[in-house]
Amino acid sequence: KQEVTQIPAALSVPEGENLVLNCSFTDSAIYNLQWFRQDPGKGLTSLLLIQSSQREQTSGRLNASLDKSSGRSTLYIAASQPGDSATYLCALDTGTASKLTFGTGTRLQVTL
Amino acid sequence: GAVVSQHPSRVICKSGTSVKIECRSLDFQATTMFWYRQFPKQSLMLMATSNEGSKATYEQGVEKDKFLINHASLTLSTLTVTSAHPEDSSFYICSATARGRFTEAFFGQGTRLTVV
Repeated sequence: KQEVTQIPAALSVPEGENLVLNCSFTDSAIYNLQWFRQDPGKGLTSLLLIQSSQREQTSGRLNASLDKSSGRSTLYIAASQPGDSATYLCALDTGTASKLTFGTGTRLQVTL
Repeated sequence: GAVVSQHPSRVICKSGTSVKIECRSLDFQATTMFWYRQFPKQSLMLMATSNEGSKATYEQGVEKDKFLINHASLTLSTLTVTSAHPEDSSFYICSATARGRFTEAFFGQGTRLTVV
């Protein structure tokens, strides 16, 4: 059974800092990996999707990497802003019709 | 990306009543829809997978008679929480995909259910 862990569980940084969120998974047989953002009481916003054959994806200030052999993905956020404050979730698609296994989440707070 | 609409966004119901939540794919035909549940400060847990025209597949520990899922068309799936109890209070969120067309699933906005 795929288990997905995110470290740290919570993180507080001052505005402008670069930061890295970590996602670890136990089964490397994945179809793709996605990073989502969730604001309190809201749904999910997809940030980046990395296919199994890819090593990284970039969108604006966000960069996500994937290392299947070590069972890890990282989400790098450059020049953090207060508007980045949210919970970040990684999710793995094991290839069974887009059924996702979600990580435990990292709650990020960017302070002024 | 494709758009998935979930309704209602928030519902309060009395204990013992049933509540229906709708999930619609607005601009594509969804061959598969998923229903997830999220408790406060926890991650999303998959409840069931539904394919159009067939019975839903429930994850272990999810009561199929409690959480009725209907995927009657390629653009609509419904989740009915029957005889709701306060412990059913949670955030429910659906996602939809069209395998062969998309490599990812698209999520609805979620429904906050409070049973009083």
